[in-house]
Formats: sequence, structure tokens, C-alpha cells
Amino acid sequence: DAGVIQSPRHEVTEMGQEVTLRCKPISGHNSLFWYRQTMMRGLELLIYFNNNVPIDDSGMPEDRFSAKMPNASFSTLKIQPSEPRDSAVYFCASSLAGTTNTGELFFGEGSRLTVL
Amino acid sequence: GDSVTQMEGPVTLSEEAFLTINCTYTATGYPSLFWYVQYPGEGLQLLLKATKADDKGSNKGFEATYRKETTSFHLEKGSVQVSDSAVYFCALRAQAGTALIFGKGTTLSVSS
Repeated sequence: DAGVIQSPRHEVTEMGQEVTLRCKPISGHNSLFWYRQTMMRGLELLIYFNNNVPIDDSGMPEDRFSAKMPNASFSTLKIQPSEPRDSAVYFCASSLAGTTNTGELFFGEGSRLTVL
Repeated sequence: GDSVTQMEGPVTLSEEAFLTINCTYTATGYPSLFWYVQYPGEGLQLLLKATKADDKGSNKGFEATYRKETTSFHLEKGSVQVSDSAVYFCALRAQAGTALIFGKGTTLSVSS
């Protein structure tokens, strides 16, 4: 079975450019999470969706960041305009949410973003 | 709010040494607890989990016991291998349907 698929794996862009990161969760999973990983701050939750609905976006740094989940099999994280401090590895993860399971998260391989 | 604190690394060990990585948490209620591992260039993978007090999670020779009285979930392995070199993350989930909260990660380096 395919795992969580993220694209692009690597992105190098210049400050001010728009960046779009994409994620395809595992089929059948109904929760999707975006995390950001940096050396200084570790893994930070940016936003998560249950059944395509954003539940908690309190981790989104500022208005330059936006995330959408138009259907159960696709999500995007957009940064516009990008800044050097946005350089990080962005992970998407999915899980099957429910009260009868612990909701293990399955992670993609990440998108490494470098903003020059 | 809920949080996870784990020992800072890096942890450097020789092959076959005993490993402990400390993890404590702050949460209301009865969270589920997890250890994830991240190998270089990869995403995180679940290593083990425990869902209630006194549960012991185990996998690949690693184990951790959910201790509610000390709010801890320390990771242990009796004999580490070079292939165990990775970053280890402790995490909690406060309740079903919510996101995992991760510690900052502990880098383990094992030399032969």
C-alpha cells in the first residue's frame, strides 16, 4: 500500500516567491496533519484536518501560510510570500481518527524547503 | 497546555551499550503516549505506543512503560546497534481526534 506522498521533496526558491507543498494521505484515513521541523524548534504542528475540515490552525505562523484540503485525498500548504525563516522540512501525516483507536500518525518523507 | 519534555542529545553510545532516553509529559486526563523514530532523510515512523497507565510498549528491542505517577515514558533498549542511530521523538495525544504533540527529539549515535 502506498504511504503518505508529499511533493516536492526539495524546493529551493527566492524570498518573496509563492511556495505550494502537496500531500496525498493514505487512502481511507480521515485526519491529515501538517508539521514543520527545524533544528531550533523541533516538530511544530501547523494545522490539522478531520474529514477535510480544518480543526486547529493555531500553529500556522501568520497570514502568509494557508492550507486547504479540497477532498479526502489531497491537501496543500501554501506560503505566500516566502521568507528565509520559512526554510524547514515540512511533513504531512495522516491517520484514521476514532474513539476506538489511538490514531497512529503515518508520515510522509517530507518536503525540504530552502528560501534564499 | 499539554507538552512533552525529553532529554537533550546527542546521545553517543558504543554498540551493545544500554540506552535510556528520558521523556516526561504534562497533560490533563489520560493521554496516549508514543515513541517515533526518524532515520536520516526520512519521515517519522512509529516505534511503540502505550494507551493507558502501566502499559508497556515494545518493538525491535525497545520498550517504554507508561508511568502516570511520574508522568514519564522513558525509552530503553538493552543493547543498541549501529543501525539504531536516528532521532527519537516522544509524543502524546491528549484524546482521540487530536494532533500529536512532540518533544524536541533526541539524536542517538551508535558507533561500532
